[in-house]
Parts: sequence; C-alpha cells; structure tokens
Amino acid sequence: DTGVSQDPRHKITKRGQNVTFRCDPISEHNRLYWYRQTLGQGPEFLTYFQNEAQLEKSRLLSDRFSAERPKGSFSTLEIQRTEQGDSAMYLCASSLKGLGSTDTQYFGPGTRLTVL
Amino acid sequence: EDQVTQSPEALRLQEGESSSLNCSYTVSGLRGLFWYRQDPGKGPEFLFTLYSAGEEKEKERLKATLTKKESFLHITAPKPEDSATYLCAVQGGNQAGTALIFGKGTTLSVSS
Repeated sequence: DTGVSQDPRHKITKRGQNVTFRCDPISEHNRLYWYRQTLGQGPEFLTYFQNEAQLEKSRLLSDRFSAERPKGSFSTLEIQRTEQGDSAMYLCASSLKGLGSTDTQYFGPGTRLTVL
Repeated sequence: EDQVTQSPEALRLQEGESSSLNCSYTVSGLRGLFWYRQDPGKGPEFLFTLYSAGEEKEKERLKATLTKKESFLHITAPKPEDSATYLCAVQGGNQAGTALIFGKGTTLSVSS
C-alpha cells in the first residue's frame, strides 16, 4: 500500500509527558500537512511543509508543539509537557504540488492521543 | 474569515432513499472545494475536488456540485455501506499556504 502512514495509531500518556508522532507521506509528494481533529469537529490545520521547509504554522501550534521534516521525506510532530486539552486525533496528509497538478491532500489513518 | 458550514449535522436514510448534503462557504478567492468521507476512527478519504461554479463530479452513487456560495453532495439510492461522516473543506486565496478549512461534517446513517 502506498498511502500515507502514521505511527503510532494510538498513544496514551500522562499529563506532563512528551510524545512524538511520525508520518510517512505518499512517495514523491512534496507537501506534508499536520491537522488536529477533536470529536464532532472537522480537522484543524496545524502546519505544513514543502519539501523540508516549514512554510506555515497555525496559531493553534503553541510553543509546546514542534514539527520537523528532515530531508523532505517523513515528518515528526512532538508535543512537550502534554495537557489534557491535547487529547485529539492527529492527522497527517500529503500532496503533490507542481505545474499543472492539483493540490489534493490525501490523509493518513491518524494517531489518537489520550492524555490522562 | 474563511468559513464552512455543513447541514444537516446528521441524516438518517432508508436504503434507496436519495438525498443531498449541503456545504455553505465563505472564502476569499476560492482555489478549491473538497469533499471527503470519514469512517469512525479513520482518516478522511478523498472523494472530489471542485474548482469553479457550475462544475460537477460523479463517483458511483455520489455527485458533487458547486455554486458561488455552496456545494451539494447528492447521494442517489444509498446503501448501508455509504454510512459515514462526509466532510467539506475549502482552500482559499487568503491563505498564504494551502491549509484546508473544514466544516464539522454531516453524519449519514443508511439503514436496510
């Protein structure tokens, strides 16, 4: 399967701990996005990369959140000093943006974070 | 501010009972309107992209249409396997990047 993959699928942690999620985009996709989704809501944009450059960050992305995409391939999202309000589904998406191509974002299965 | 409103929040249909889901949007400079399907506990699955008013796209029992203010997802003769949450999202010209602005979704339940 060549879709977007995310690891882990589920994470339970205690308040104050750090967690890190990984996303592997569709091969050759140059854009990678992170979204957060809580129950009954649509996904909310957090940040995006074009290749290895982080080009946009939402105001939702507090200083406890950091994302990287070394070498423009996989990406990691780290949350430091987790809070109960961080409990959500964290979604990764990727797209191929080039001349004449659409910018359709394809999503992974998500990582469900529960902060106790 | 870019905004997406979906209605109804929930819809219950009998198998074979056709209906439509609505997505109203406010955006400066629409670059694209997207429909996704999301099953419980899974990530959104891409269905359609629409770019300009008057455009229509079809896939099996689903048909998406677009006007300058709203989009409709028409479901013809639905089956139980069409039960899911359907999300609408827009990509606007005000965004420096490519963030999608999502509505809250319509949860569709189809019973046999």
